[in-house]
Order: sequence, then C-alpha cells, then structure tokens
Amino acid sequence: QSALTQPPSASGSPGQSVTISCTGTSSDVGGYKFVSWYQQHPGKAPKLMIYEVSKRPSGVPDRFAGSKSGNTASLTVSGLQAEDEADYYCSSYAASHNVLFGGGTKLTVL
Amino acid sequence: QLQLQESGPGLVKPSETLSLTCTVSGGSIRSSSYYWGWIRQPPGKGLEWIGTIYYSGSTYYNPSLKSRVSMSIDTSKNKFTLRLSSVTATDTAVFYCARQPESPYGGFDPQFDPWGQGTLVTVSS
Repeated sequence: QSALTQPPSASGSPGQSVTISCTGTSSDVGGYKFVSWYQQHPGKAPKLMIYEVSKRPSGVPDRFAGSKSGNTASLTVSGLQAEDEADYYCSSYAASHNVLFGGGTKLTVL
Repeated sequence: QLQLQESGPGLVKPSETLSLTCTVSGGSIRSSSYYWGWIRQPPGKGLEWIGTIYYSGSTYYNPSLKSRVSMSIDTSKNKFTLRLSSVTATDTAVFYCARQPESPYGGFDPQFDPWGQGTLVTVSS
C-alpha cells in the first residue's frame, strides 16, 4: 500500500492558522477513525499531537486540532507560534493490521 | 514515566542482519493494555512503520518488509527486539521504538506514544 499523501510544505505568520491535509483511501483514512498526527523537530523523535482523528494527548495545546472528511484527514494549527515550526506526519490504520504514514509536511512560521 | 531506549550496532554490512533492542523502563512490557512497535526514518525522509509486537508474542509486520523482518519480546527483561535480514544501503535509517495502546476493537491502536530517542543504523561495507 502507498503512503498517505501530504503537501511537502505549509507556512503561516505568527498568530495565523494553517491546515495540513493527509489524503488516503477508503481502505485506510476513510475506513477507520484511527488517524494520528506527529510533530518532529530536527534531530528529535516524533511527538504525538493528535490521535483517533481529533483527540489531543495531555499536554498538547488546544491550538492543535484534527478532523476528517471522507478519505482526507486534516491538522489545523491555530495561533501559530515560532515553536510550531517542524515537520508534521500523519498516520492511519490500514486494512489487515497495517499502519501507513504520510510523507510529511514541513511547516514554516514566517 | 515510561521511557524507551533503542540499542544496537550503528554499522551493519550489506546482506547481513540488523538487530536492535528496545529497553522499556518505568513500566511493564507485560501490560495487556499495550503493544510495542518499531518505526524507521531514512536520513532526510519520512517515517515508515516496520512492525508491532504484543507481550504474548503476537506480531504484525509491514507487508513490504514482512519477508525480512522478525520481532521478539522478553518480558522478563522488559525488552523487545527487531531483526531485519539481508540489509542493503536503502535500509540505512534512524530506527525508533514506541508504545502503542490496545484498540477497543481488538488488536493495536496505530498511535505511537511515547517514542525512544532513536538510533542511527548505517548499512555499509
């Protein structure tokens, strides 16, 4: 199965909102409510930001929100801050106990 | 606080078998509420799920790697292990281990948290 599709880059100014998309198929993103989002700063391990489409782990600011429509999931970062500049990856459960990741989106805070 | 730490050789020769261990501290690997996964990231590239193991020994592998991957778990030592055979330069990557919760629908939930710090494995002669 192919990786999920994410835009390679996204950007916004401090205080603005930006949305990153993650497109799959009915066999992964569209078929299950198990979509996660990860933030990765250079040289660091990924950090879970959103799980099960829209849930936030304890400690993740409510500026981060997840949603899904059909085969596309989205991560919206509101009130952009300098520390939000990082790579973001989506992942989804896929049929037959498989896990797919997106190719990643580099978020730049202008 | 649960912590995971990867360990193993940083350099592996082509055609040989890569072997890594993930040591879990601050919690029991024997918990029925969690699964344990491996993810890799080639330099400058994205993440790829390798596989997941349960304390009982049940395993789930990425179909694209299934023929070369094996995972095992040692509950007495709170560790789990990844083996990847017949490696080539394209297997060069940072390898991460991570915890996954059990899904309410059975099997694992594909969320990874927390992660280990990662270990770079280079395949080269």
